Amino acid sequence: GENVEQHPSTLSVQEGDSAVIKCTYSDSASNYFPWYKQELGKRPQLIIDIRSNVGEKKDQRIAVTLNKTAKHFSLHITETQPEDSAVYFCAASKGSGGSNYKLTFGKGTLLTVNP
Amino acid sequence: DAGITQSPRHKVTETGTPVTLRCHQTENHRYMYWYRQDPGHGLRLIHYSYGVKDTDKGEVSDGYSVSRSKTEDFLLTLESATSSQTSVYFCAISDMGHHEQYFGPGTRLTVT
Repeated sequence: GENVEQHPSTLSVQEGDSAVIKCTYSDSASNYFPWYKQELGKRPQLIIDIRSNVGEKKDQRIAVTLNKTAKHFSLHITETQPEDSAVYFCAASKGSGGSNYKLTFGKGTLLTVNP
Repeated sequence: DAGITQSPRHKVTETGTPVTLRCHQTENHRYMYWYRQDPGHGLRLIHYSYGVKDTDKGEVSDGYSVSRSKTEDFLLTLESATSSQTSVYFCAISDMGHHEQYFGPGTRLTVT
């Protein structure tokens, strides 16, 4: 089955700096890669996703890049703010329909943005 | 947030007792999932459903069963709760033809 590795497990940055979180996946058939943000005591919230036919996607201060050849994808947050502090999870899935919608998650990155 | 609720939100139970958690959605989405979240493990899939009465196992299904008798409800049952099943349980939904999954608020279960 799919295996998703996420690094680093913790990341501390100063407000205004950039943060980068990286994930690798094992199944070359995976074609959908979402990122979730989870604040303390809250549910995971989908913040951005990318499909395998796209190399990069941006939404304001966040961006995701995908390298299919190397089987890795990354989350980039620019101009970090204290409210970006949370746990971030990457995930991967493949195909369409039925069991192929299953997501395999990385173990998460605790991002702390220091004022 | 998508129309997903979970009940109960908190539960404390004793080892060996059966426990049922409920996930209810108002989005009419076809797919529903149960995950558990534990420190250092991220989110792990327990069971999922791809339609009414259609369910399958995830990566950590031992000790759990599920049922889906109607589109809006997905039940997770711990047949005989153990301390290793102390966790936060999240339900998620996704629609036909869409990969995006949306999560419910979670249930914190403590087995003593």
